[in-house]
This record gives sequence, C-alpha cells and structure tokens, in this order.
Amino acid sequence: EVQLVESGGGLVQPGRSLRLSCAASGFTFDNYAMNWVRQAPGKGLEWVSGISWNSISREYADSVQGRFTISRDNAKNSVYLQMNSLREEDTALYYCVRVFGGTHFDYWGQGTLVTVSS
Amino acid sequence: IVLTQSPDTLSLSPGERATLSCRASQSIDSFYLAWYQQTPGQTPRLLISGASSRATGIPDRFSGSGSGTDFTLTISRLEPEDFAVYYCQHYGMARFTFGPGTKVEIK
Repeated sequence: EVQLVESGGGLVQPGRSLRLSCAASGFTFDNYAMNWVRQAPGKGLEWVSGISWNSISREYADSVQGRFTISRDNAKNSVYLQMNSLREEDTALYYCVRVFGGTHFDYWGQGTLVTVSS
Repeated sequence: IVLTQSPDTLSLSPGERATLSCRASQSIDSFYLAWYQQTPGQTPRLLISGASSRATGIPDRFSGSGSGTDFTLTISRLEPEDFAVYYCQHYGMARFTFGPGTKVEIK
C-alpha cells in the first residue's frame, strides 16, 4: 500500500524557517518524481515544488522561488521542503504527492499544517 | 496556462447529472489534463487523467472529455458521496497548474 506521511509543520513567525519531511513507503521511491502541493485554509490547491527521481530537475512556483528548496534522499525514501523567509501567505496545509507519468498526482499524503503568524 | 472552472458552485439533487467545465487560457494537450475530487476534510483524490481515463477504483458514473481549451467532467447520476469540490489540473512547462475548483452542493 502506497503511503506518504508528512511531518514538520507547526506555528512559526514571519521571516523564520521550517523544514517539512515526507516519508514514503509501499512503492519503489526512486522510480518517481515527487512534489509538494499546498492548500490555504478554505482555499484551492496550489502547486509548490517538484523534484525528479534523480534530483536533477527541481521546479518551484513563482510564489516560493528563491525561498523554498526541495530535496530528496532516495536511501531514506524521503522528500523534503526547506522553507525560508516564511510569510503569512504561506500558511497552508502542505501535501506530499507522487507524480505518475509526469502528468498528474496519483497519491497524496494527509498533509502537514504550516501556520505563519506573529 | 491559466485554468478557469465553471460554475463556481453547482446546486443539484442526488440522482441528477452534473456537468463541470474547465477552460484553459490556450490550447493544451489533453494528455496533460487531470481531474480531482476533494470531499470536506479529506485529501484530494485523482478521478481522471489524460482528460478521459478514469483512475483505478473510480466509478463509471464519472467521465471526462474535451480537447484544445475546453474540458468537461460529467457525473451521470449524483450519489451522496459525490458532493464535493472538483479541481482540474494541467502539467506543462515543468509546472503544474490547478483550476480554482467547482463545488457541487446538495440542492
């Protein structure tokens, strides 16, 4: 059974940093690109960042470019999101998602909540 | 690519047919168009990929169609569990884009 379990969310002040983790199981992790998608309270879905299976390709939404860094450790079946210079508008539930066929997300974690507030 | 969904909200009764629209700001390859369902408090679930291919375990009352700039998700007969928010999604130029969603609510 495919499982994606996020961790690392919490309450943080504006300007500070947070690192999210996603532990994957139930599939051959290094065969898949992985992404992060977020959802602000009561709002829609927003793609945040993605990383290829071999970490060569890393992409970011304009809203987080230069502040967030995605990485992965295939030996640990994990993907990470380092979030720096956090803003109140980064407040959201952050989902770890698996990419299938390079075109869509077939598995989603339950999400980890990030709240940026003073 | 900007995705626009209409209507914002669709008020229907169980058993009725739901037709949801997703429009792209320019022509896209249907291979890169997907639909998701999100029920309240739940994680989004993949319904359709490649504009018309149902994901594993998705009932056949859900169908997708369209090409170019106009895509449609149809629910032939609404079941109580189908009342949810539906998002279309596109992949292109190394990034993913979601539409704003259509809420299907009980009339």
